[in-house]
Order: sequence, then C-alpha cells, then structure tokens
Amino acid sequence: DQQVKQNSPSLSVQEGRISILNCDYTNSMFDYFLWYKKYPAEGPTFLISISSIKDKNEDGRFTVFLNKSAKHLSLHIVPSQPGDSAVYFCAASAYYGGATNKLIFGTGTLLAIQP
Amino acid sequence: DAGVIQSPRHEVTEMGQEVTLRCKPISGHDYLFWYRQTMMRGLELLIYFNNNVPIDDSGMPEDRFSAKMPNASFSTLKIQPSEPRDSAVYFCASSSGQGSGYTFGSGTRLTVV
Repeated sequence: DQQVKQNSPSLSVQEGRISILNCDYTNSMFDYFLWYKKYPAEGPTFLISISSIKDKNEDGRFTVFLNKSAKHLSLHIVPSQPGDSAVYFCAASAYYGGATNKLIFGTGTLLAIQP
Repeated sequence: DAGVIQSPRHEVTEMGQEVTLRCKPISGHDYLFWYRQTMMRGLELLIYFNNNVPIDDSGMPEDRFSAKMPNASFSTLKIQPSEPRDSAVYFCASSSGQGSGYTFGSGTRLTVV
C-alpha cells in the first residue's frame, strides 16, 4: 500500500542534459510535495517543494511540476552536473488543519550523471 | 547549530540482543520523526512526536519496537529482541512544523547477525 511511488529505481543521464525524475501518489488528500536528495552515508537533504495550489515551482536548475489530476509530479534538473549523482526521494504530506506534519516518502531513484 | 545528531553511526549486534538508537533533534523543533530505510520500502515512517508526545506510531512494525522522547532534546528507538530482518539504516529527523522541510540526521546503520 505504497502511497508514494517512484517506479524507476535508477536513471543514468549524460552531463549537461536534462534529468527527469518521476513520482506518483495515490492519496488525494496530499497537498504538499517535496523532493529530497541523499548522498551515501548521509541523511536526506531538502531540495525543493511544491504546494497543491501550484503546478510548477522553480529553484535554479531544479523545477518541480505537479499534475494533480494525474496524481503525478516530476523533478527536472537542467543542466545535469556530476554532483547531482545521488538518490532522490519524493515525499508528500496531508495537512489536516494542523493535525499532522508527517511526510510519506517513496522508494527513491538513484540518479547517475555520466561525464 | 550542529543539526540532528544520531548515535551510534553503526551498530552490529547479535540476534536476540537489545538495541537502542539515539537522537538529538535541532533545538526549537517541535516535531521528531523516526524513519527506516530499506531497498524494498524506501524511507518508512515508524513513529513521530510533537512536543515530546507520540502522535502516530502506526508504522512501528511490531511490539519489539518502542520509542520514547523524555524531553525536547532527546529521543530513543529501542528494538528488543532484535532480528536479522531489522537490519537497515534508521534515520531521525526534526521539523518546526507544517510547510517546513525536515532536517535528517546522518542515520544509524544497524546490522543484526
């Protein structure tokens, strides 16, 4: 009953090209979505987020797109750099009037940027 | 701020032994979360606290797992008795509230042999 799914366990992209990481969710109550990046032997770090009232949020080379009707979001990295090689986790939360703040994470996608 | 601090970084123990993982959240953060990372399930929420009170422990796999937060600056996750299938990386994270991202610790890699 995985509520947040990342169907691609790994992705290989050439340096300078666009990386597109995908995420699907099943719970229509989710209203806030985040991407985290994780290097080996470190904890995940926050990368970018988007509220359900938006369909796009951009921060430098990183853009997150949200398609609520399809329950799908994606992370675009342009241009991809070697330092972007990491595991990327998609996460979602539902804001029940302040009753909860828990994030549900996906299984992660290992992104490898090839020189 | 030193961030979220977890100890130990690595733990190897024999099946049946008790294991205690520790976490110090960021000062001022009201929420504390325990996650477990496995290949099959990714980052799995085990339990979270708000103002030191357990709010949701539905992710705790079995009665062998327990978590406490005796004060705002310390939390423990205990497994007793431990089993090989508990082998995973356990992360602690803290947050100041809705809309703010989590800050994760570096994790504890647990190996039960």
